Amino acid sequence: EDQVTQSPEALRLQEGESSSLNCSYTVSGLRGLFWYRQDPGKGPEFLFTLYSAGEEKEKERLKATLTKKESFLHITAPKPEDSATYLCAVHPDSWGKLQFGAGTQVVVTP
Amino acid sequence: DAGVTQSPTHLIKTRGQHVTLRCSPISGHKSVSWYQQVLGQGPQFIFQYYEKEERGRGNFPDRFSARQFPNYSSELNVNALLLGDSALYLCASSYGTSGGDEQFFGPGTRLTVL
Repeated sequence: EDQVTQSPEALRLQEGESSSLNCSYTVSGLRGLFWYRQDPGKGPEFLFTLYSAGEEKEKERLKATLTKKESFLHITAPKPEDSATYLCAVHPDSWGKLQFGAGTQVVVTP
Repeated sequence: DAGVTQSPTHLIKTRGQHVTLRCSPISGHKSVSWYQQVLGQGPQFIFQYYEKEERGRGNFPDRFSARQFPNYSSELNVNALLLGDSALYLCASSYGTSGGDEQFFGPGTRLTVL
């Protein structure tokens, strides 16, 4: 059965304290791995797509990496505005259903 | 450019009622997907439509139905509402349906069933 597991469930950081979020997946055939950011009560905001092991993408203080079994979202020197829930999702099939993990809630304090 | 739009923003219904949620995709996108998100969980896939045809269905009861119109907008209908249907309903659009196509989400419709 296809599964996506994110850890930790919650993360509290001081401003400037770098950290990493983990997304491990078990799927029959990975067509793409996606990272989204979601603010409370709003829709997920697209961040990155990764397609193959070894691929990396960066955007401001965020960097996503992919291996054959997991992906990491690195947050470098976070600011309070980086506080959000970060969701990982995979395309496990040849068509477009996204399967999400439960998310990691990140709180960055000044 | 306008993103994905959804209406209404909030909705309060009572058990047994029917609800219709609406979504307009990003211009040029031909596929619309619907997801249900309950508090503390990731979105769960309900339907995907492409060129007015259903391309996929998640593990939801037949009370849930959807359709896509010629202009690629979409409606999600839920009959005989239950308390457990209370959730944030998200619409996502993508250019196609291929694995790997990026999906962009709207702001969601918050449904409360009393």
